[in-house]
Amino acid sequence: GEDVEQSLFLSVREGDSSVINCTYTDSSSTYLYWYKQEPGAGLQLLTYIFSNMDMKQDQRLTVLLNKKDKHLSLRIADTQTGDSAIYFCAQQWVTSYGKLTFGQGTILTVHP
Amino acid sequence: DAGVTQSPTHLIKTRGQQVTLRCSPKSGHDTVSWYQQALGQGPQFIFQYYEEEERQRGNFPDRFSGHQFPNYSSELNVNALLLGDSALYLCASSPWAGSGYTFGSGTRLTVV
Repeated sequence: GEDVEQSLFLSVREGDSSVINCTYTDSSSTYLYWYKQEPGAGLQLLTYIFSNMDMKQDQRLTVLLNKKDKHLSLRIADTQTGDSAIYFCAQQWVTSYGKLTFGQGTILTVHP
Repeated sequence: DAGVTQSPTHLIKTRGQQVTLRCSPKSGHDTVSWYQQALGQGPQFIFQYYEEEERQRGNFPDRFSGHQFPNYSSELNVNALLLGDSALYLCASSPWAGSGYTFGSGTRLTVV
């Protein structure tokens, strides 16, 4: 199958770290993406990782990939109220010519 | 540098009508994909265009069709609209299939 699954809700306090989780299907030759969607807006690419990597860090964002468990996580350090949004995990097989399969999205709420 | 531009931003149509949505890709991008995002769901892949041809198609009926023009812009057409076609339609472009896509802000279609 081509399912990508995410937890639906996450609530954190401003300044804390947020960890958003995702599980995906077959990990052979795949890209895994994290997108952010704010109300009324399109999708903003945050970061991506290829399936032969274990970790990628980009400023406040850290992506961890556990290939054995087919588990992907996005950690946001020092979470701010402006980080409140819906976060989507997406999988793309290298051979699929660009088709992205998205999870249902995780609604992140950051409290002051 | 303009990103991905979609028009119109909002649209209301009656069941049974036909609709055309438009997308201008980011400068330098030649691959365009369309996604349907129902309320509370992740985007679902409709199809992808490259070199004016449909390269890949998702699980959508033939009522959904598209076109890509020589300047790489694209149209999504939906015939015989159903209430269930109400959604946010997202266009995404890329310099080549397989890289991270840039998404537009979408067209919100409401079928009544």
